[in-house]
Amino acid sequence: GAGVSQSPSNKVTEKGKDVELRCDPISGHTALYWYRQSLGQGLEFLIYFQGNSAPDKSGLPSDRFSAERTGGSVSTLTIQRTQQEDSAVYLCASSSSQGHNEQFFGPGTRLTVL
Amino acid sequence: GENVEQHPSTLSVQEGDSAVIKCTYSDSASNYFPWYKQELGKRPQLIIDIRSNVGEKKDQRIAVTLNKTAKHFSLHITETQPEDSAVYFCAASMNNDMRFGAGTRLTVKP
Repeated sequence: GAGVSQSPSNKVTEKGKDVELRCDPISGHTALYWYRQSLGQGLEFLIYFQGNSAPDKSGLPSDRFSAERTGGSVSTLTIQRTQQEDSAVYLCASSSSQGHNEQFFGPGTRLTVL
Repeated sequence: GENVEQHPSTLSVQEGDSAVIKCTYSDSASNYFPWYKQELGKRPQLIIDIRSNVGEKKDQRIAVTLNKTAKHFSLHITETQPEDSAVYFCAASMNNDMRFGAGTRLTVKP
């Protein structure tokens, strides 16, 4: 079946502009995660959605970052007033609440802030 | 919340040698410990995982060990090959709440 998809694959924006990144998880997966990965670095946890529970936003680096998950499926990560240090690959992952908790990652969105 | 530490950050081995990557976690309630491999420019993919009711698991050249008392787990790769070169991430999870280590960049020299 279809895996996790993300759009756009690449996004170039100017400093100060807002951007929206989209994640389509695997159908039926209740858990959805956003991570940020700077060049050559690890997976920085941003936010975690589990079903209808309040999301765990503890990883969001500033109030310029926010995320929504509508209808328990698609999620949008929004970065307002982008800064150059926001440049990174943003990865989304989803997992099922059934069985083991393997996370399946999307291909990522490469964000470049000029 | 859970905190996962991973060592070493970089590891270079000769082809055919073994590689060991170690992780520690802080939350004793964590019960699922996956390892992900991320090749250059690609997304992380699960290579092996272990649950808290098991001490060791092996899959061909890859094995993982778990010590719940000490709260640490390790990845062992034997007979390394150049295609094993990648970044490896450990993680600890409970009820889908997963946290990753910082990653280990493994280089296997031919």
